[in-house]
Amino acid sequence: DAGVTQSPTHLIKTRGQHVTLRCSPISGHKSVSWYQQVLGQGPQFIFQYYEKEERGRGNFPDRFSARQFPNYSSELNVNALLLGDSALYLCASSSHGQPYTEAFFGQGTRLTVV
Amino acid sequence: KNEVEQSPQNLTAQEGEFITINCSYSVGISALHWLQQHPGGGIVSLFMLSSGKKKHGRLIATINIQEKHSSLHITASHPRDSAVYICAVRSDSNYQLIWGAGTKLIIKP
Repeated sequence: DAGVTQSPTHLIKTRGQHVTLRCSPISGHKSVSWYQQVLGQGPQFIFQYYEKEERGRGNFPDRFSARQFPNYSSELNVNALLLGDSALYLCASSSHGQPYTEAFFGQGTRLTVV
Repeated sequence: KNEVEQSPQNLTAQEGEFITINCSYSVGISALHWLQQHPGGGIVSLFMLSSGKKKHGRLIATINIQEKHSSLHITASHPRDSAVYICAVRSDSNYQLIWGAGTKLIIKP
């Protein structure tokens, strides 16, 4: 069974552009969370989706948006990219949104904004 | 003050040494996670704890809910244990993960 898969693995974009990152959770998992990890820091929570509904949102500007599809895969969209958006974007899946659920992480997408 | 504090930030040890990484938190939690991140970014979940102690191979994780403190121990450390170890707690108010900054561990042969 495949783990959490993210695509692409690496991406270079120019300031002002838009980017879409994708995540496929573990089969059977209904919750997907997105995190941003700037170099040298711990991950910061961006969004959580469960059963296609947003369950939580971190302290990120409206340039960041996400959605979850009927097959529970998810996209993270970032508009009007800034240099500071350069980071590793991590996706985590869990079987449901309950507090004791273990999260499984993808390898991440490394975004570089130039 | 960060809600999740890890210590030390960096740790270098010789192969075979016993390693301890500490995590303190200041919020109410429903669970605490220890995760491992290798260069290149992929994160692997090592433990999820809500009480007591768990052991997996050479790794041991403990948590003291009253003191809001957890430790990750590595016995008979090996160079392949070199990685960043991250403590993350799941808030009991909004169920989101709050992350520590990580401990960079280097084990020298």
